Amino acid sequence: SSELTQDPAVSVALGQTVRITCQGDSLRTYYASWYQQKPGQAPVLVIYGQNNRPSGIPDRFSGSSSGNTASLTITGAQAEDEADYYCNSRDSSGNHRVFGTGTKVTVL
Amino acid sequence: EVQLVESGGGLVQPGGSLRLSCAASGFTFYTYSMNWVRQAPGKGLEWISYITSGGVIIHYADSVKGRFTISRDNAKKSLFLHMNSLRAEDTAVYYCARHYSDSSGEAFDYWGQGILVAVSS
Repeated sequence: SSELTQDPAVSVALGQTVRITCQGDSLRTYYASWYQQKPGQAPVLVIYGQNNRPSGIPDRFSGSSSGNTASLTITGAQAEDEADYYCNSRDSSGNHRVFGTGTKVTVL
Repeated sequence: EVQLVESGGGLVQPGGSLRLSCAASGFTFYTYSMNWVRQAPGKGLEWISYITSGGVIIHYADSVKGRFTISRDNAKKSLFLHMNSLRAEDTAVYYCARHYSDSSGEAFDYWGQGILVAVSS
């Protein structure tokens, strides 16, 4: 199975923009989905497909993809966006799903 | 309202077995594929198994293949994970997650609250 690599941690000033990336060979074939997880809570889907937000997810969250890299952008980060973020996609076989290594986002 | 509620976790000795259940409500369970995902303490998310709506197609992560079995009872709106030959490294919070798919992509769109499985002597 393939791997999805994320930066371990990023920080962003309140109200500024932060981009979280996810790299992996399978992303050339499959879209990523993105999950937000706060301490002690279950993950929450924030973006899937090319750039689709589930109902209830603020429009400051957006997704994009190019080559082997998928990105999640938070435009105008809020204090409540401080969390761990994980990407997910299929692996190169197409049968298994794999999560990225996770990125901790700190809002300063 | 979509709800997924896991049960059956607890403390088990190495080499032991456990069966997790996930009770679904608020949606037409038999039309959705389902997944199990786990998270070891202080670690990231790990996908471990997938089952289609009718139970015909099943996939496992290499880390659990041959030891874990996913199944479902659509009449009872329930998903199961039978875990055998448990190891210390299987200690984790286990989540069931609904599999959503449309023309735009796929995702785990709803998650349970998670259930802790601890493997220790």
